[in-house]
Amino acid sequence: DVKVTQSSRYLVKRTGEKVFLECVQDMDHENMFWYRQDPGLGLRLIYFSYDVKMKEKGDIPEGYSVSREKKERFSLILESASTNQTSMYLCASSLAATEYGYTFGSGTRLTVV
Amino acid sequence: QKEVEQNSGPLSVPEGAIASLNCTYSDRGSQSFFWYRQYSGKSPELIMFIYSNGDKEDGRFTAQLNKASQYVSLLIRDSQPSDSATYLCAVNNSSASKIIFGSGTRLSIRP
Repeated sequence: DVKVTQSSRYLVKRTGEKVFLECVQDMDHENMFWYRQDPGLGLRLIYFSYDVKMKEKGDIPEGYSVSREKKERFSLILESASTNQTSMYLCASSLAATEYGYTFGSGTRLTVV
Repeated sequence: QKEVEQNSGPLSVPEGAIASLNCTYSDRGSQSFFWYRQYSGKSPELIMFIYSNGDKEDGRFTAQLNKASQYVSLLIRDSQPSDSATYLCAVNNSSASKIIFGSGTRLSIRP
């Protein structure tokens, strides 16, 4: 089974801090994705990547950046955390997204105070 | 119009009955359709996918696809309390290599 591992299950950060969320997958998948999920708003795509060093903006990239230096690792960076970035963050990976769907990590619940 | 639409629910179904979850989509070029189950506080888990018109069965789950009408449905037979969750419909975007998710239907199975 594909495993997508997110480094932290719960995280509390202060406003203005730079925050790194890490995601690692172990099945040599090309495609990786970062979502946030909020009540009533569903899953919203932040950034995605189809290959190493490649990134594409999703629907809500403002306030975020990403890094993909190695195929298995896709990091989400909150440049200066704000309270409105308090959310559940979900990483996903896929061999071929449109054919096989995504496998999600267990999520990181981030609280910015 | 949202790209993938689902009734948010909650949908309440008695234990042992059939739960029917529906989804419509706007992209006529979509070829791949997925159903995810998400328990409260957990991440989504892929439970079914379907590519062709008609029905696809897997245990108690049946996915139904009608491309002409642009709808997908998920039937859960012999519903169990453990089926209580939010079900997300997802459809591939034909112009980009990504999947579009609906906002989910909350299903509650009452004993």
